[in-house]
Amino acid sequence: GAVVSQHPSRVICKSGTSVKIECRSLDFQATTMFWYRQFPKQSLMLMATSNEGSKATYEQGVEKDKFLINHASLTLSTLTVTSAHPEDSSFYICSAQGGQTLYGYTFGSGTRLTVV
Amino acid sequence: QKEVEQDPGPLSVPEGAIVSLNCTYSNSAFQYFMWYRQYSRKGPELLMYTYSSGNKEDGRFTAQVDKSSKYISLFIRDSQPSDSATYLCAMGIQGAQKLVFGQGTRLTINP
Repeated sequence: GAVVSQHPSRVICKSGTSVKIECRSLDFQATTMFWYRQFPKQSLMLMATSNEGSKATYEQGVEKDKFLINHASLTLSTLTVTSAHPEDSSFYICSAQGGQTLYGYTFGSGTRLTVV
Repeated sequence: QKEVEQDPGPLSVPEGAIVSLNCTYSNSAFQYFMWYRQYSRKGPELLMYTYSSGNKEDGRFTAQVDKSSKYISLFIRDSQPSDSATYLCAMGIQGAQKLVFGQGTRLTINP
């Protein structure tokens, strides 16, 4: 079945530094990838949608200069949290769609970011 | 009003019980309905998907959709401790890329 690999699974960084999270589709080409943020005991909040080779579309209220998304190939999308602050601490999850029907979404295992 | 409403729980039931999880929605344009299971600190995994009113069964899981009432349910029969997780409903529209998720219901099955 479709597999999405997300790394790292956990990262701790100092305030003011940048962190990059990778999301790879291992056995299919992901034309579209989505990045979510999830706070404890809350649902997934869509941050942005990225299509291969084009600029990401950010949801309202998400700072595109802070959360840089790159989808340079059909198998890799990256989310970079720039100048991280403690309030950016959260669980970040990617999902990939391989151009199939809507139920073809596959999620990564998530990245827990802690900014100290 | 949120597009998708889901009781966050928590819901705690004894092992072997039948569990009923529900979501309501307000957007009649939704055509696809999904249930995801998310274990702690993991990404969601797709459990069931349906695109029409009625029931769909897969093992111990049954997904039910009532488009006239804008109401979907997930039933878990013979619940097991390993079913303890957060269950999220999700909905989508054909041609639109985004899914809309419910808040998720935290379920605990007690041995």
